Amino acid sequence: EVQLVESGGGLVQPGGSLRLSCAASGFTFSSYEMNWVRQAPGKGLEWVSYISSSGSTIYYADSVKGRFTISRDNAKNSLYLQMNSLRAEDTAVYYCPRATVTTQNAFDIWGQGTMVTVSS
Amino acid sequence: DIQMTQSPSSLSASVGDRVTITCRASQGISNSLAWYQQKPGKAPKLLLYAASRLESGVPSRFSGSGSGTDYTLTISSLQPEDFATYYCQQYYSTPFTFGPGTKVDIK
Repeated sequence: EVQLVESGGGLVQPGGSLRLSCAASGFTFSSYEMNWVRQAPGKGLEWVSYISSSGSTIYYADSVKGRFTISRDNAKNSLYLQMNSLRAEDTAVYYCPRATVTTQNAFDIWGQGTMVTVSS
Repeated sequence: DIQMTQSPSSLSASVGDRVTITCRASQGISNSLAWYQQKPGKAPKLLLYAASRLESGVPSRFSGSGSGTDYTLTISSLQPEDFATYYCQQYYSTPFTFGPGTKVDIK
């Protein structure tokens, strides 16, 4: 079964750090581009970051640039999001959808998400 | 950045109704447009990509159309399981922006 499982969320104080993980299974992880998308409570979807299959190309939303770092370990079938200098407005459910050429780079598989709460 | 708008922001409909949701991009996106369905507490689900291509396993009552900056999602006959929030997304260029969503609820 094709699956993505996010983990690492939790409660963190403003200015703190957190590292999210996304474990992939059921497909050849190293062949797929990956993303992080977040959703604040009661709000819409916001794309956060993209990484190419090899990790050589990376993009960020302006709202997280300089604070968040996306990375991947293809040997471990895992995607990561290092989040530093966290702010209250980073509070959200974080998803790690994959993109595939089959769907012309639309996000075809999503995990269940992991909740990040930034609060003192 | 490409801005995405959707209309309406919400609608009430009955089972069996035909429902149409529109999405507009602030510049041309060459059909690099996806539609997602999200139910409360669940992850989004891909319905259509490339504006009109149905994702595998998605019922044929869902269809998409459009070009340039204007796109449409149509549900030909609304079913009970279709009550949800629908988002469009452009993946033509980063940042990959989403529309604000359209909530479809029971009339």
